[in-house]
Amino acid sequence: DIQMTQSPSSVSASVGDRVTITCRASQGMSNWLAWYQQKPGRAPQLLIFAAYTLQSGVPSRFSGSGSGTDFTLTISSLQPEDFATYYCQQASSFPWTFGQGTKVEVK
Amino acid sequence: EVQLVQSGAEVKKPGESLKISCKASGYSFSNYWIGWVRQMPGKGLEWMGNIYPGDSDTRYSPSFQGQVTISADKSVTTAYLQWYSLKASDTAMYYCARRLSPAAAGGDWFDPWGQGTLVIVSS
Repeated sequence: DIQMTQSPSSVSASVGDRVTITCRASQGMSNWLAWYQQKPGRAPQLLIFAAYTLQSGVPSRFSGSGSGTDFTLTISSLQPEDFATYYCQQASSFPWTFGQGTKVEVK
Repeated sequence: EVQLVQSGAEVKKPGESLKISCKASGYSFSNYWIGWVRQMPGKGLEWMGNIYPGDSDTRYSPSFQGQVTISADKSVTTAYLQWYSLKASDTAMYYCARRLSPAAAGGDWFDPWGQGTLVIVSS
């Protein structure tokens, strides 16, 4: 299985901050990567797929980059509704695997 | 509107069987893979397996192969996740999710997701 490692595990930030989350894969996977947001008590929602393509309806303050083994999710200006846990998911090799999650908390 | 609506929470005893459901609407059910994801209390997401309702092609993560059965019924546009003998360690939230693009088009990312079914296994 491809192992996905996210960093940091948690980040404390304020509204308006720029937040960057990193996801590293145990082997190269081109751009077969998605990012999801999960709020407490809710199902995950797709934010970005194919490493950098924004899902319909997702605000443009979210962006993704990277290829191969290293990927990044950036929130350019954190909004109150963005406090949540974020997961990366590889879709290069079955079984699909997720990172362990990054919790974005209020500073 | 594409929707996945899951069955309600369950409380079961170890050794009991269980089948939970994921009712799809708003799209051509046969043409999109549906996956199941486990989230244990306070933990992250784990991919369990996928099914293509069009031909019932099913793929399991090795971690869940033999532990659960995934199925689908096109006549009622519903996917299922089934256990024959539950364990306490099966206590978790279970989500179904639809592949974003039909059949083999695009990549295996999933949206939308069902609201989740909480399964509690306790003696």
